[in-house]
Amino acid sequence: QQQVKQSPQSLIVQKGGISIINCAYENTAFDYFPWYQQFPGKGPALLIAIRPDVSEKKEGRFTISFNKSAKQFSLHIMDSQPGDSATYFCAASSFRVGSARQLTFGSGTQLTVLP
Amino acid sequence: ETGVTQTPRHLVMGMTNKKSLKCEQHLGHNAMYWYKQSAKKPLELMFVYSLEERVENNSVPSRFSPECPNSSHLFLHLHTLQPEDSALYLCASSQNSITRATNEKLFFGSGTQLSVL
Repeated sequence: QQQVKQSPQSLIVQKGGISIINCAYENTAFDYFPWYQQFPGKGPALLIAIRPDVSEKKEGRFTISFNKSAKQFSLHIMDSQPGDSATYFCAASSFRVGSARQLTFGSGTQLTVLP
Repeated sequence: ETGVTQTPRHLVMGMTNKKSLKCEQHLGHNAMYWYKQSAKKPLELMFVYSLEERVENNSVPSRFSPECPNSSHLFLHLHTLQPEDSALYLCASSQNSITRATNEKLFFGSGTQLSVL
């Protein structure tokens, strides 16, 4: 029930195209859904996050779409650029009183944007 | 620069060696984490320290031993590792919240790439 399933494993997109990465979860206690971006040789960095009380969140070219009833959320990268080439991880967590949030990560999507 | 520094960046060790990974955060956070990252697998949470007390240990083998002497430093002591332990070990920190409304952001270091021969 703690698993977060992410697809696809790898994605190749032309410059200017739309990149879409999907995630699904089972645990209905999850109440925070971040996406992390990781470049080679670096640790993951928070890209954008959403809570289940909204269906969409947009920050620049990055949009999270959230479907609470289907327990799915996705990352859309509009006008994809070669600099967006990285590995993307979805994650989910639930609040724990008196304890640090523990993120459950998806398995990652390696995005390549061709020039 | 994320404010989380890990050393060494690369480590090669034999199965009988003892080594330690070090992590230091300069962000004033009160929670620190060790994650293991293997190819094509989800990041695996190994240990969480909140306010310097270990609050979770997700069934990690005893050959991995964490130490958190203060809120800014975290160590992972390694001994008699196996080749399957070869992976990228990531340290992260965050500011613990006491309310549901706060979104906790993890700040990761660049990791230690460990190879066990």
